[in-house]
Parts: sequence; C-alpha cells; structure tokens
Amino acid sequence: QKEVEQNSGPLSVPEGAIASLNCTYSDRGSQSFFWYRQYSGKSPELIMSIYSNGDKEDGRFTAQLNKASQYVSLLIRDSQPSDSATYLCAVTDTGNQFYFGTGTSLTVIP
Amino acid sequence: DTGVSQNPRHKITKRGQNVTFRCDPISEHNRLYWYRQTLGQGPEFLTYFQNEAQLEKSRLLSDRFSAERPKGSFSTLEIQRTEQGDSAMYLCASSFAEAFFGQGTRLTVV
Repeated sequence: QKEVEQNSGPLSVPEGAIASLNCTYSDRGSQSFFWYRQYSGKSPELIMSIYSNGDKEDGRFTAQLNKASQYVSLLIRDSQPSDSATYLCAVTDTGNQFYFGTGTSLTVIP
Repeated sequence: DTGVSQNPRHKITKRGQNVTFRCDPISEHNRLYWYRQTLGQGPEFLTYFQNEAQLEKSRLLSDRFSAERPKGSFSTLEIQRTEQGDSAMYLCASSFAEAFFGQGTRLTVV
C-alpha cells in the first residue's frame, strides 16, 4: 500500500510569516513529487513540482525533497491571506500513478 | 481555453439512476486519470488511461463504475445504479509529466 502522509492541520500563520507544510511517503520508488493548492469547492491547482533531491524555488514557494528520508516539504514565504487553502502533496510511482495525501489546511491571518 | 474540461459541472440524480460524466484532456497529454474526492479527503484514485488503454482501475471501485477513452481523446465515466454514497466531486486530470485537473463534476445522489 503506497501512502502519502500529511499533517491535516489546521495550520495558522500570521500574514507575512513563513508557512511550512510537510509530507512523507512510503514508496521508496516514488519518482516525482508535487504540491497542489485547493480552495474550498474548487479542484486542485498545481503549484510546484520537484524531481531531485534539494530545493526548488518559484517566487514565494520553495519545495524541498529528501529521498533518503522520504520527505518533501513546501515553504511559503511572506504568506498572504490569499494563500489560505488546503495544500495537497502528491507523488508518482514508476507507472506514473499519482498518490495524494489528505491535505493540510492553511489559514493566513491578516 | 486549453485546460482540462469536465462536463457537467453539477449533477443531481435520483438513487438508482445512471449518470455519465465527460472529460476533455489537454490535447497533447497521453495520460488521463479519474479521481473521486469527498469533503476533507484527498483525491481518491479511480482509474487511469494511457492513450486509449485503461492501465489500472482501483480495487475499491465496484463494477457499477466504468470508464472509457475511445481513440485516446476524451474520456467518459459512467456510474450505474447510483447510491447515496456515490455523492462526491469527480475529478479528471491529464498529464504528460505534471497532472492538471479539470473543474470537477459535483454529483449529488438524492
């Protein structure tokens, strides 16, 4: 059973702070790693992808991957109220099958 | 609009009726996925196509569910003899490397 685990939260941070979201996965053969943002009642929206160990930065977002620890994280710098959403972690296996966590709810307090 | 398109956006049906949903993927994407999502949960895998071939189907899926992707283009998901427990958001995603979701179809079985 391939599992993706996320702390469900809710996570609350003040506006302008750094939000840190974490994800662990069970399958050592996992190939690719993604973070999606999902607003209430909407479908998931891809915000970051990462394929190799280390950090990947895109604007205010930084994804971090550590395959040895089977751990991927997302940092959101200068958090804004518009970042309030559920963040889903997803990983793929060698068959390109996507596995999703249950998501972490983030609230940015103005 | 070149994104993933799903129709209808909302569907209300009586228990026992059959329903069919349609997904039009991004044209150059060869992989297409169907997921189901209920409140507070991450997307739950239903089935996966590569081109016109259905490569995997969730063991959790009863034989009331069937999906097709003729000619490797659009896909349909049919639910026969709907039950109240089928009420959920049905999400379609297409992928070449990263997966992009459609707006979803919200099904309510009354």
